[in-house]
Amino acid sequence: LAKTTQPISMDSYEGQEVNITCSHNNIATNDYITWYQQFPSQGPRFIIQGYKTKVTNEVASLFIPADRKSSTLSLPRVSLSDTAVYYCLVVGGANNLFFGTGTRLTVIP
Amino acid sequence: DVKVTQSSRYLVKRTGEKVFLECVQDMDHENMFWYRQDPGLGLRLIYFSYDVKMKEKGDIPEGYSVSREKKERFSLILESASTNQTSMYLCASTLGIGTQYFGPGTRLTVL
Repeated sequence: LAKTTQPISMDSYEGQEVNITCSHNNIATNDYITWYQQFPSQGPRFIIQGYKTKVTNEVASLFIPADRKSSTLSLPRVSLSDTAVYYCLVVGGANNLFFGTGTRLTVIP
Repeated sequence: DVKVTQSSRYLVKRTGEKVFLECVQDMDHENMFWYRQDPGLGLRLIYFSYDVKMKEKGDIPEGYSVSREKKERFSLILESASTNQTSMYLCASTLGIGTQYFGPGTRLTVL
């Protein structure tokens, strides 16, 4: 089971770049790394997914080193609306889903 | 637009009652999941299904069962509800190992 480890919480000021790192030492060759965002009283929402190197979309960037044992979600210039819980997930099939406790990001005005 | 719906947003039941939580997706997804979410414990997988009438245990299946008679519908059953099953229950669906789409959640309280 490819479990993940993330910081429990982070604080950031508005306008700053936020980097959240996730450790997944037992990642398998066929696994992908996926990040989700969850607001209170809502289900998680997909942000970004990657296999190696760097992936960027309109919301975030995902950096994955060559050994793939960790990944970093980068949120550029966060705003108050980015306050949420962020989950790192290693996905390699339906029986390989571990959300963990996530990282609670608080954006401060 | 992608849609996963759950039968109730809030539910209050008594200890020993049989509880049904229903989830419906309109995306023709093969895989469906049930999670529970508790403060400090994150999301934990209860059961999942990768096809009609197929089911697999997740990390915490004890005290739960599931039913998937049609592709779009996945039901979670608490045969005899207990207070330690008070939680937020989230349903999700996905095509292959792609993005999981979540429903709004059902907050179940067992008294």
